Amino acid sequence: KAGVTQTPRYLIKTRGQQVTLSCSPISGHRSVSWYQQTPGQGLQFLFEYFSETQRNKGNFPGRFSGRQFSNSRSEMNVSTLELGDSALYLCASSSGGRGTQNEQFFGPGTRLTVL
Amino acid sequence: AQSVTQLGSHVSVSEGALVLLRCNYSSSVPPYLFWYVQYPNQGLQLLLKYTSAATLVKGINGFEAEFKKSETSFHLTKPSAHMSDAAEYFCAVSDRGTYKYIFGTGTRLKVLA
Repeated sequence: KAGVTQTPRYLIKTRGQQVTLSCSPISGHRSVSWYQQTPGQGLQFLFEYFSETQRNKGNFPGRFSGRQFSNSRSEMNVSTLELGDSALYLCASSSGGRGTQNEQFFGPGTRLTVL
Repeated sequence: AQSVTQLGSHVSVSEGALVLLRCNYSSSVPPYLFWYVQYPNQGLQLLLKYTSAATLVKGINGFEAEFKKSETSFHLTKPSAHMSDAAEYFCAVSDRGTYKYIFGTGTRLKVLA
């Protein structure tokens, strides 16, 4: 099976712009989670989508949003970018269903730099 | 609410020495427990997982972890460190009811020649 893919791998934006990141999960996986990783804050959970519905949410401002499509692919959007949004954004997929072990499989990440 | 605590943000060991990375969780019901490893500029890779089948879990690259309910711990060990083990290690729990995934703050392992 192909692994989790994320596009683009690298992105440079300026303050005030918006950005959309994409994640394609492992075939058959219905859950997609997004994380922000920075040297100062570590790995922080943004949100999780399961079968096109947001199932869990972290403590990020409303500038961070996401969605999931019927094929389980997910996108994450950040509006009005700030310098502090510079980070590695990781996507993880899992089967996510009831009774599963919820093992997550991670993509390589998208490195976002905000200038 | 569940939480995960990793003691020691940085751990240094000599090549060939024992690796011990500590993880404690708080939960009234034993959750699913995981250890992940992250090499520079890469995503996280699963090392091993505890799912209640056995308290001693063996993973990839010679790592293993023991689930101790009485201590609410899931420490990661490897008998002999290799230079290639230098990476950041994350402990995580998954709530069986909400499916929420919680990561620890990570431990960066340095292996000295």
